[in-house]
Amino acid sequence: NAGVTQTPKFRVLKTGQSMTLLCAQDMNHEYMYWYRQDPGMGLRLIHYSVGEGTTAKGEVPDGYNVSRLKKQNFLLGLESAAPSQTSVYFCASTRTGGGNQPQHFGDGTRLSIL
Amino acid sequence: RKEVEQDPGPFNVPEGATVAFNCTYSNSASQSFFWYRQDCRKEPKLLMSVYSSGNEDGRFTAQLNRASQYISLLIRDSKLSDSATYLCVVFRGGSQGNLIFGKGTKLSVKP
Repeated sequence: NAGVTQTPKFRVLKTGQSMTLLCAQDMNHEYMYWYRQDPGMGLRLIHYSVGEGTTAKGEVPDGYNVSRLKKQNFLLGLESAAPSQTSVYFCASTRTGGGNQPQHFGDGTRLSIL
Repeated sequence: RKEVEQDPGPFNVPEGATVAFNCTYSNSASQSFFWYRQDCRKEPKLLMSVYSSGNEDGRFTAQLNRASQYISLLIRDSKLSDSATYLCVVFRGGSQGNLIFGKGTKLSVKP
């Protein structure tokens, strides 16, 4: 059982380039999340989804777009990358909603924007 | 006041020591509380949920004080493998976007 898989693991981009980060989960979880983690900061929620075809903004959504066309996949897009988006990105999923659900994280994507 | 505050550490302790981490939260309506563990350059993993009555899992004890809006994690008989960053996490309630992560407390257990 793979759990939550993120691709790619590492990426270097130039300012203005675009890219898509893929998150896939094989646990049939309804809810999926994208976070970013920066030095000296806690994880901050970018966007999340409560089911296939739905998305919602988190704490820091600007500069990112997401899509959840299939239940198992949650895509995070950067349309025009900026150096401020250099970060470690984590995807997570939960079986259902409610705050008592443990978050299952992927192992992260390290993104550098030059 | 930040919504979830933790002492960043690092806490440097010898093997076998007992160490306690504290966390405070500002939203009195917060509903659920957790401790996650994050190893260096790895993803966070749930360590334990925190219940009002307090709960224990082996060498780990978590406590919640709703009146003081305070959460604690006690690790007894520290092992080298306990070295990690411990994240205090609070669910404010409402939408799924309301899970708030503290910045974490770094623990280093030395031989």
